[in-house]
Amino acid sequence: GAVVSQHPSRVICKSGTSVKIECRSLDFQATTMFWYRQFPKQSLMLMATSNEGSKATYEQGVEKDKFLINHASLTLSTLTVTSAHPEDSSFYICSAKSGTSSSYNEQFFGPGTRLTVL
Amino acid sequence: AQSVAQPEDQVNVAEGNPLTVKCTYSVSGNPYLFWYVQYPNRGLQFLLKYITGDNLVKGSYGFEAEFNKSQTSFHLKKPSALVSDSALYFCAPGGGADGLTFGKGTHLIIQP
Repeated sequence: GAVVSQHPSRVICKSGTSVKIECRSLDFQATTMFWYRQFPKQSLMLMATSNEGSKATYEQGVEKDKFLINHASLTLSTLTVTSAHPEDSSFYICSAKSGTSSSYNEQFFGPGTRLTVL
Repeated sequence: AQSVAQPEDQVNVAEGNPLTVKCTYSVSGNPYLFWYVQYPNRGLQFLLKYITGDNLVKGSYGFEAEFNKSQTSFHLKKPSALVSDSALYFCAPGGGADGLTFGKGTHLIIQP
């Protein structure tokens, strides 16, 4: 299957700093990438959808100025958590999908990034 | 709006026995349904999907799922469980231009 990588896999930062997480599709072009958040022992919650070259679409309740998403190429999307606070500590997971944005191709998921804000 | 329910937090099955992981959904419009599996310290892996066509969908690792429109269900099944099938399973409607809406997941434990 297709491979999606995330970097870093784990990051610890101080409150008030910003953290960037990268999501790359290694062997296919991802027209659409998604960012999810997973709390301990809970399900994944969709944060935002990004299409290459377009502004991201954020889910209700997700602060777009807090979670900056850039999808500058067909293989790379970044999530920047700005002015991070302890409540932002979570497991962030990206996924990528090939084909047109409206296609029902399966999403391929990255391994996730564990963010801890002190 | 769409939602999904996985009524069982955990399912225990003896190795070699058939397994079923339940999922019911609520969507407006045509349902597009996916099953993913999450192994410890690994990313979610795609198992199978229903978009249209045959109600019985076959997927990876010997898994299959049956789409039942009248019962709004999409249960995951396997005829003979393996210990290596032990993992966290997610049912998720969605796709297309939208992200997936995940259920809370079901821990599948296969006992030797």
